[in-house]
Amino acid sequence: EAGVAQSPRYKIIEKRQSVAFWCNPISGHATLYWYQQILGQGPKLLIQFQNNGVVDDSQLPKDRFSAERLKGVDSTLKIQPAKLEDSAVYLCASSPSGGRRTDTQYFGPGTRLTVL
Amino acid sequence: DAKTTQPPSMDCAEGRAANLPCNHSTISGNEYVYWYRQIHSQGPQYIIHGLKNNETNEMASLIITEDRKSSTLILPHATLRDTAVYYCIVRAPNTGNQFYFGTGTSLTVIP
Repeated sequence: EAGVAQSPRYKIIEKRQSVAFWCNPISGHATLYWYQQILGQGPKLLIQFQNNGVVDDSQLPKDRFSAERLKGVDSTLKIQPAKLEDSAVYLCASSPSGGRRTDTQYFGPGTRLTVL
Repeated sequence: DAKTTQPPSMDCAEGRAANLPCNHSTISGNEYVYWYRQIHSQGPQYIIHGLKNNETNEMASLIITEDRKSSTLILPHATLRDTAVYYCIVRAPNTGNQFYFGTGTSLTVIP
């Protein structure tokens, strides 16, 4: 079974530029998550999708961050414009629906963003 | 979701058992205890979860106290590849509640 795919793995941009990250979850997984992980901290949830609908985006800075999952499969997370404090690893995770392991999340390798 | 308390760091000799504690004194009756780990430069990896009975899988064992206020993750024979940050999370499944990862325990396995 293929894991969660993310691209790019690394990205360096200057502040005020825009950037987009892509995630392809495990096939058949209904739920998709985007997390932000700042150095030295645990991952923090930004947004959660169930199929193509948003379940929770309460911690997404909506003035600059946006995310979509148009066909209920892969997803993109965009930052426009980027700030220095957005430097972090952006992790995508997915989980299946139904059964006891419903909430087990499977993570991708992440995209390391550096904002200069 | 209940908060958890974990020691910031631990060392373990290679080949010995690593016992990672977690306090979750305000856990609710329907909340499970989950453990994930994150090896450097990788995404978090699911290890195990349980409600009140002890659980074991190919990676680890999870011991939950009878009052459910604390738990211990046991890696029976630690290897250098087990060096990672270990996160203990409590969450009620299928509620839409978030996973709060906290800062975890940084485990270093020493040769």
